Amino acid sequence: EAQVTQNPRYLITVTGKKLTVTCSQNMNHEYMSWYRQDPGLGLRQIYYSMNVEVTDKGDVPEGYKVSRKEKRNFPLILESPSPNQTSLYFCASSFRGADGYTFGSGTRLTVV
Amino acid sequence: GQQLNQSPQSMFIQEGEDVSMNCTSSSIFNTWLWYKQDPGEGPVLLIALYKAGELTSNGRLTAQFGITRKDSFLNISASIPSDVGIYFCAGMNYGGSQGNLIFGKGTKLSVKP
Repeated sequence: EAQVTQNPRYLITVTGKKLTVTCSQNMNHEYMSWYRQDPGLGLRQIYYSMNVEVTDKGDVPEGYKVSRKEKRNFPLILESPSPNQTSLYFCASSFRGADGYTFGSGTRLTVV
Repeated sequence: GQQLNQSPQSMFIQEGEDVSMNCTSSSIFNTWLWYKQDPGEGPVLLIALYKAGELTSNGRLTAQFGITRKDSFLNISASIPSDVGIYFCAGMNYGGSQGNLIFGKGTKLSVKP
């Protein structure tokens, strides 16, 4: 089944403890992206990648890192999480960007 | 960063009624997309639009790419309870990066049976 898989679904962590949210797609898509969703703010793009080793900042990149070493994987790294990064995170992938992203099921992160 | 203005924020309608929502941008877009998000799930693509003036349907859903390229509209005809969810518009700036998809804040739709 064609899908975007992100893990974990739920995560509670403490301020400053590094964490990684994994994302994998099995559709051979060129583009991958991370979004965060907050009440009243909609979906805001954190980072996106156009291909292996090619990434660019979205609208809210501060406090996040990404890497694209392989086409199928696009992990999101929070080096030193803070409470304002408590949010619902979505990974997404796309064949050519303009054809629209396919989204994963989300990761609900709580930083205390 | 770039923002899309989506309205209304929420709608409460009776089953069987038609629904309209829209999205505007301060800059020209070359792609407009409409997504629906069910509770606990990621957004799912409903309709994609690529040309000014384009009108595209997907079942009871119809979306239009505004002629100015700065707006888009989504209509749902004869709503049913499973239409409940949050609808998002999304777009890509003309001349911007292909991967940079910007979302509106969403329209939350509630349908009374």
